[in-house]
Amino acid sequence: DAGITQSPRYKITETGRQVTLMCHQTWSHSYMFWYRQDLGHGLRLIYYSAAADITDKGEVPDGYVVSRSKTENFPLTLESATRSQTSVYFCASDSGREQFFGPGTRLTVL
Amino acid sequence: AQSVTQPDIHITVSEGASLELRCNYSYGATPYLFWYVQSPGQGLQLLLKYFSGDTLVQGIKGFEAEFKRSQSSFNLRKPSVHWSDAAEYFCAVYLMDSSYKLIFGSGTRLLVRP
Repeated sequence: DAGITQSPRYKITETGRQVTLMCHQTWSHSYMFWYRQDLGHGLRLIYYSAAADITDKGEVPDGYVVSRSKTENFPLTLESATRSQTSVYFCASDSGREQFFGPGTRLTVL
Repeated sequence: AQSVTQPDIHITVSEGASLELRCNYSYGATPYLFWYVQSPGQGLQLLLKYFSGDTLVQGIKGFEAEFKRSQSSFNLRKPSVHWSDAAEYFCAVYLMDSSYKLIFGSGTRLLVRP
């Protein structure tokens, strides 16, 4: 099915653990984005990518790492999770005319 | 710097009543504007967008929005709200540095009274 998918949909982890959130799109869009959504803050951009092997920081990049070895995948890694990274994470890809969002990953860091 | 303001955090309307959600932006040139809707536990879905041309834009689910350059506004409207419209609504604008980054407003949560 065409679209943008995220996995896992729900994740519980402990402080200090490494966690990777996956994002996959089937359209071959060049641009992809990672956001986090928190009450009172709306959606904030973590990282984005203009193409394979090209990534750049957004508004709140600290504590996160991204890679983009293939156009269709854009994983987000929390190298050492902290409680403040408990959030809902959304991946998106852009067609040049609009952004398409994945269903989100709800991450809880205990 | 570009910004998007949604002045209403919550709005409550009765089912069947009309709706207007406010959005103001700050940007020097003609903006590319969007309205997204997020139902509980879901991702964001595009309702409509404005790039150029007719300033009254029709979207999905019976929504429309009007771009008013003089007021720097892009308000979302619906003539008759349904209970299923209860959700959070986000206004957004493309950051015009060719990065396709979106600047989002803080969102307006719509509650619908039966």
